[in-house]
Amino acid sequence: DVKVTQSSRYLVKRTGEKVFLECVQDMDHENMFWYRQDPGLGLRLIYFSYDVKMKEKGDIPEGYSVSREKKERFSLILESASTNQTSMYLCASSRQGGNTDTQYFGPGTRLTVL
Amino acid sequence: TQLLEQSPQFLSIQEGENLTVYCNSSSVFSSLQWYRQEPGEGPVLLVTVVTGGEVKKLKRLTFQFGDARKDSSLHITAAQPGDTGLYLCADRQGGKLIFGQGTELSVKP
Repeated sequence: DVKVTQSSRYLVKRTGEKVFLECVQDMDHENMFWYRQDPGLGLRLIYFSYDVKMKEKGDIPEGYSVSREKKERFSLILESASTNQTSMYLCASSRQGGNTDTQYFGPGTRLTVL
Repeated sequence: TQLLEQSPQFLSIQEGENLTVYCNSSSVFSSLQWYRQEPGEGPVLLVTVVTGGEVKKLKRLTFQFGDARKDSSLHITAAQPGDTGLYLCADRQGGKLIFGQGTELSVKP
């Protein structure tokens, strides 16, 4: 059974703190993604990675960075958390292949920044 | 930049009713995927459609892809409370997905 896990389901942090969100997949997928989900806005891509140590900016990268040191692990970093980063964060992975490949999502981390 | 518009944004119906939700794009879809996200979980792929005019069925769910590949619909027959969730359409652009804002469906027993 394919699985994407995220380190926390709920997280509460204070403004200015450094926040790490971890994602691990067990499917040997090349691609990994970080999205944020806000009501009425759908999912918006923050960063993605096609391979170890590679990263590409998505649509809303400002205020975030990522790290991919191992194929199975993709970390999202908020260098200095702000209240407007309160959101649901979703990690996903997929094979590197054709145009119909499935993205498999983790359960999400609901982050609140006070 | 491609925009995906989903309608309606919210839908609340009684068990046993039929419903249709829509996804429209400002440009031609590359390949369209429909996902369902249940409360507290990540989205799960329901179907991928690629060819204009394509129709796919998944039990009580029927997915249609417009001939011009700029619109799609999802029809649910005899909705059940287990169908409750957020329905998202997405277009694959290379290795990335562009999502619509979703339709929040609530089916009451």
